[in-house]
Parts: sequence; C-alpha cells; structure tokens
Amino acid sequence: DAKTTQPPSMDCAEGRAANLPCNHSTISGNEYVYWYRQIHSQGPQYIIHGLKNNETNEMASLIITEDRKSSTLILPHATLRDTAVYYCIVRSQGEYGNKLVFGAGTILRVKS
Amino acid sequence: KAGVTQTPRYLIKTRGQQVTLSCSPISGHRSVSWYQQTPGQGLQFLFEYFSETQRNKGNFPGRFSGRQFSNSRSEMNVSTLELGDSALYLCASSLVTGGSSYEQYFGPGTRLTVT
Repeated sequence: DAKTTQPPSMDCAEGRAANLPCNHSTISGNEYVYWYRQIHSQGPQYIIHGLKNNETNEMASLIITEDRKSSTLILPHATLRDTAVYYCIVRSQGEYGNKLVFGAGTILRVKS
Repeated sequence: KAGVTQTPRYLIKTRGQQVTLSCSPISGHRSVSWYQQTPGQGLQFLFEYFSETQRNKGNFPGRFSGRQFSNSRSEMNVSTLELGDSALYLCASSLVTGGSSYEQYFGPGTRLTVT
C-alpha cells in the first residue's frame, strides 16, 4: 500500500503557482519523498525528490515540513502542459530494488 | 540520448493467447522494471531485472514472467491471456538498482487489449 495521502484533484490557473500537498505521516528517517507525474497516455516522469531539506530544480520545488510528515510540490508558473496526475511516493534509501509504490495521485488541471 | 522504447505500442490479443512485450532501456542503464496500469488498480509493480537477474517481484500470478538480456533489453511475457490483463504496460529504466537509484525513466507503454 502507498504510504502517502494526496487530494484526488486540484485546479490551478495558468501562470499561477500550483501547490500540490502530500501527507506522509508515517515516514521514517531514511525515507525519501519522490514526485512523479503522468501526462495523459504517457509514462510517468520523474520530477524531484528530497529527504529533509527543501529542493529545487528546473521543473519544481519541493518543500518538506520540519517534522517530515508532509510535503508540498510547487510548480512556480503552471502551464496547460502541466495538466497531469502527480504522484507523491515515499521510498527508503536502503530499499532493495527499484520498486515504486504508486497511490492514486492528484489530478492537476491547469486552466486558462 | 534516446529514451526508453517499448514495442509494440498497441496490441490486440484474444483470450487464451500469449503475448511478449519488449523494452529497450536508456543506453548504459542496467535496471528495467515493469508496471501494469489499469483504471481500477492504478500503477502496479510487476518485476524488476538488473544485470539479467530478477531482483524483485510484485503480486502477480505466474502467467506474468520476464527476462533481461545481456544488453539490458527486457521482455515480459503474459501467457493464457485473460480479459483483465487489458492494460497499459510500462517499463522503467535506471542506471542502478536499490535505494540510490533516484530517477527512473519510463517508456511510453504498450497498450494491450484482450478480447
């Protein structure tokens, strides 16, 4: 079972920041938070990951709370092409193999 | 660098038949994982191969099998197809396996329809 809880859907206006929350209240000390997204009819795409510090790359920013029980993925200037299902995944650094456990994710709709 | 490729992209089979799907990982990647995606169950892990060895297996019946070749290309096979096997089958490649494999790159998938 997925170790994360996400809202089923969210809307965002084009050009505005999209803030996607994720709850992972049972996360342990060596578990990372990963974000992937899946645009309709394509394979999932890696976005970003983090352990406890906030992270930023060319696609997004990841804000993890101090107690690590929740996080927020931020797309700073959402475009229509960011409409997708966003998955928050918790995974241990010491985990055997590459298995990813996907939950239902959040459907983000970016509207003009 | 070329991405992950999967062939065929679309496939229609009849119940009882078998099917083989192929995945070519990104050059240099040695890990290939397979996933099944259906509207009812979402994305579910099937298995992972690394250096021609199965590393991990999901909760699927033995009709689902796979293998990996020395060039890291992987195939998965489904025998005695059932209607419920209709799904999008995705493969993902990664440079390494285990906790340090931060990024996995997914292919476009093979859409299998069983009639």
